Amino acid sequence: EPEVTQTPSHQVTQMGQEVILRCVPISNHLYFYWYRQILGQKVEFLVSFYNNEISEKSEIFDDQFSVERPDGSNFTLKIRSTKLEDSAMYFCATPVSRENEQFFGPGTRLTVL
Amino acid sequence: AQTVTQSQPEMSVQEAETVTLSCTYDTSENNYYLFWYKQPPSRQMILVIRQEAYKQQNATENRFSVNFQKAAKSFSLKISDSQLGDTAMYFCAFNSGYALNFGKGTSLLVTP
Repeated sequence: EPEVTQTPSHQVTQMGQEVILRCVPISNHLYFYWYRQILGQKVEFLVSFYNNEISEKSEIFDDQFSVERPDGSNFTLKIRSTKLEDSAMYFCATPVSRENEQFFGPGTRLTVL
Repeated sequence: AQTVTQSQPEMSVQEAETVTLSCTYDTSENNYYLFWYKQPPSRQMILVIRQEAYKQQNATENRFSVNFQKAAKSFSLKISDSQLGDTAMYFCAFNSGYALNFGKGTSLLVTP
């Protein structure tokens, strides 16, 4: 049974529009990661979020990105003004019972036109 | 900064045969974890196997095993009795306590 779900599974948007990607834990996780995978490339770390604060972020995570936990039950990744190069799979992940092991959600495929 | 290198962009193996995927990494850390993730065409990231750096014994999960050489900073994945369902991208990943750092991946094709 999956520990993490993500919505939507696929989002198509116009360049310059704002998108919000959601990650919903099945159980009560406090620590979340967001990763990005541009088609044909490796998975890259974006940001980690712990107890309602950003814990760590990469160079990719610039001012157009933000993360929130709006209602205590899900996490969101917002891209304020999408660019063509934001087209990618976006994964959230959470630590599981074994130390340093992360369980990935199914991902959201973002297509920017 | 840690780097993870997978030098084989593509590999193929016949069903029931054995294949080894290579991974090397660079770090100054002494305590860390290494992982292999499988990404089938659905693009879901599935954990295959993990290895703690402080353990000398190589990890094994059914048909999957690793050859962990800490001094050489090498972490290869061996798949025995390959099955058609093993066809996927395989990513090696490093973790010293925070985010996962991935290699560029190896595309494995299992042929009948």
